Amino acid sequence: KNEVEQSPQNLTAQEGEFITINCSYSVGISALHWLQQHPGGGIVSLFMLSSGKKKHGRLIATINIQEKHSSLHITASHPRDSAVYICAVRFNQFYFGTGTSLTVIP
Amino acid sequence: GAGVSQSPSNKVTEKGKDVELRCDPISGHTALYWYRQSLGQGLEFLIYFQGNSAPDKSGLPSDRFSAERTGGSVSTLTIQRTQQEDSAVYLCATTASGGYTDTQYFGPGTRLTVL
Repeated sequence: KNEVEQSPQNLTAQEGEFITINCSYSVGISALHWLQQHPGGGIVSLFMLSSGKKKHGRLIATINIQEKHSSLHITASHPRDSAVYICAVRFNQFYFGTGTSLTVIP
Repeated sequence: GAGVSQSPSNKVTEKGKDVELRCDPISGHTALYWYRQSLGQGLEFLIYFQGNSAPDKSGLPSDRFSAERTGGSVSTLTIQRTQQEDSAVYLCATTASGGYTDTQYFGPGTRLTVL
């Protein structure tokens, strides 16, 4: 049983497209994190959410606690956004989604 | 230091040998996490330290795995009698206080290959 489900698993987009990655979870959580893992392997924390919505540049993350769902949106996508995006929830320990591999084509 | 560092960056070992992986957290960060990412798999939680104590060891896959943290700083993950299925990237992350809303800062990882 996966506590965290992400969709889609793989996503290819043309540069400039609006992208949405979804995350659903089954446990009650204290916080949800969106992480970015580049092809070299390094992981960067993008957002931490406990409610509502956050925006950093072209990235927007939303969470609906009642529906146990979060989305990560990328506006005006760019090839440098190509990475694996990972959703993680904190309920005592961390549970991770399997990631969404995004490729943005010029 | 400026970020979380891990050593070695790569480790190749023979089945049955013991290995030690090191994590140096950001100065002052009290919480430290170890994760594992196997090829093609998602991140897997191993163990969490708050200071020098480990309130959550639930992710350690077997008793061959152990970890310690000394002085509330450096942590070492030890794998005894390594098996091929232990091959993975081992990642360390730290947070300022361990609170649920803290941002995690990840190290670059140690790629372990067991032959």
